[in-house]
Amino acid sequence: AQSVAQPEDQVNVAEGNPLTVKCTYSVSGNPYLFWYVQYPNRGLQFLLKYITGDNLVKGSYGFEAEFNKSQTSFHLKKPSALVSDSALYFCAVVPAGNKLTFGGGTRVLVKP
Amino acid sequence: ETGVTQTPRHLVMGMTNKKSLKCEQHLGHNAMYWYKQSAKKPLELMFVYNFKEQTENNSVPSRFSPECPNSSHLFLHLHTLQPEDSALYLCASSREVLTSGGGSTDTQYFGPGTRLTVL
Repeated sequence: AQSVAQPEDQVNVAEGNPLTVKCTYSVSGNPYLFWYVQYPNRGLQFLLKYITGDNLVKGSYGFEAEFNKSQTSFHLKKPSALVSDSALYFCAVVPAGNKLTFGGGTRVLVKP
Repeated sequence: ETGVTQTPRHLVMGMTNKKSLKCEQHLGHNAMYWYKQSAKKPLELMFVYNFKEQTENNSVPSRFSPECPNSSHLFLHLHTLQPEDSALYLCASSREVLTSGGGSTDTQYFGPGTRLTVL
């Protein structure tokens, strides 16, 4: 069973507009949730994570994500996208008592 | 960015060759990981080492052989690979992996990867 899903293969947004990258999870218990970004020809870079506490998590480069338990979602957001935000974004989850599992990734293209 | 390094960055090999991928972390972490990233597939966890001991082998074929001589270094030895093994191989490290099936909240830090092409 898939633990984490990213329903969009690609998201296109104009520079300066809000950016949202969707992530939903399906695990039991209290999950730990992560977002990573991968720029071309680079490894994954950590953006932010939710462990417990405040549902709104702020991370690197102006990104934030909101943990929504009722909707089992952890969408990544940025109020104003930059061209340099164009990259591949991965959501990941650690189900209780298990290992880090990645979603399939969403490619973000920010157009000038 | 330079916390986890991988060499070589690119590797082309024939199916009968033997080669090794190297990963080194300078973060003082105790856990290291090998992942495979193929086009149009989620990241696949291959191996996990915690304090130099292998704690996970995710049903990886024996033509991939990991080695972890110390907490800072991780190798992936390759032999008689297949063209479908062509992928980006990523190394990662974290402070630790909780044992007894416990999940970890520790952030994993990734290297830049080795782009492997098997002819």
